Amino acid sequence: ELKVEQNPLFLSMQEGKNYTIYCNYSTTSDRLYWYRQDPGKSLESLFVLLSNGAVKQEGRLMASLDTKARLSTLHITAAVHDLSATYFCAVEGNTPLVFGKGTRLSVIA
Amino acid sequence: EAGVTQSPTHLIKTRGQQATLRCSPISGHTSVYWYQQALGLGLQFLLWYDEGEERNRGNFPPRFSGRQFPNYSSELNVNALELEDSALYLCASSTGQAISEQYFGPGTRLTVT
Repeated sequence: ELKVEQNPLFLSMQEGKNYTIYCNYSTTSDRLYWYRQDPGKSLESLFVLLSNGAVKQEGRLMASLDTKARLSTLHITAAVHDLSATYFCAVEGNTPLVFGKGTRLSVIA
Repeated sequence: EAGVTQSPTHLIKTRGQQATLRCSPISGHTSVYWYQQALGLGLQFLLWYDEGEERNRGNFPPRFSGRQFPNYSSELNVNALELEDSALYLCASSTGQAISEQYFGPGTRLTVT
């Protein structure tokens, strides 16, 4: 059974600082997704990572995938308040998507 | 292009009642997925429909059921509602091809009292 673990689950960071969210998964998968969710809202797709060594960047967020280590990272550069949200990674397994528990990010001044 | 739509936005039901949630996929998408996001339990896969057929089912009791119509829209039915069914129910759609990103709708907030 595919398991997806994210850490940390809660992250409070100061504006302007850098930090990384980690996503580990237990079995081989071809695709990994990162989503953002604002309170009470749906999921917004951030990145789709399809191959080993894939790196994608959008603004202050950069995601990477190491399929050999079964690890993806979401790196936040120079955080701003607008990045406050919950971030989920999700991996395709026997069921369409298995989600991590999410990382609740709070960016404070 | 319109995104995934869901109705209703909010639904309040009493224990034992039935709830029906609806989803319309993005035009051209044939696959519809249902997920439950309950407080403290994270996002869990419920059901996957493609071309009118149920393709996969998550670890939920049979009182969670659904169907997909010829126009690819979908219904999720929850019978004999229990308090723990209170959650945000998210629908997603994709093209159904081997490598196909899922696009999520705004969700239906179900509250069972």
